[in-house]
Amino acid sequence: QQQVKQSPQSLIVQKGGISIINCAYENTAFDYFPWYQQFPGKGPALLIAIRPDVSEKKEGRFTISFNKSAKQFSLHIMDSQPGDSATYFCAAREDFGNEKLTFGTGTRLTIIP
Amino acid sequence: DAGVTQSPTHLIKTRGQHVTLRCSPISGHKSVSWYQQVLGQGPQFIFQYYEKEERGRGNFPDRFSARQFPNYSSELNVNALLLGDSALYLCASSVTGNTEAFFGQGTRLTVV
Repeated sequence: QQQVKQSPQSLIVQKGGISIINCAYENTAFDYFPWYQQFPGKGPALLIAIRPDVSEKKEGRFTISFNKSAKQFSLHIMDSQPGDSATYFCAAREDFGNEKLTFGTGTRLTIIP
Repeated sequence: DAGVTQSPTHLIKTRGQHVTLRCSPISGHKSVSWYQQVLGQGPQFIFQYYEKEERGRGNFPDRFSARQFPNYSSELNVNALLLGDSALYLCASSVTGNTEAFFGQGTRLTVV
């Protein structure tokens, strides 16, 4: 059972544009929602994370929007750059003292000049 | 500062063999988790250890086992390797187990 659904599977955005990746979850016990960026041959790197008590969090060009009632959250990358080309994973975790992250299936983002 | 380090980076094993993967967490981190990432998919949780005790276990067969040492480093062991065990094995560490998790670069295991 896939508990975190991520879309789209791949995304092509022009340089300077806005990249938007969406995730939906089913488990209402999830209490922490991080986004990870992964380059080929590397491990995932934590990008930004949010807890459900806020609806939006911004760090530089990266923003998470969170809709608790719809059980959806999204990553927005403003002014997308070629260096942002990577695979992005949303994830979720139950905050019960364990570190189990449930990941989405990933979005391969390509920024074209 | 050193991040999470994993060894080896690449490994080729024959079906039926045993493999041991190693992970050193970030200094000061007491929790280590292991994930399996099959090509084209998101990481899947295998184990978490905190203060040398198992805190969580994912849906993996008993061929998979792990342990954590007094210095908080960890080993993942896989017995009776199958072709389907070919994947990138990731180790993540965090301070307490429910704080931010930082991943290593992974060990690419190929079973032939």
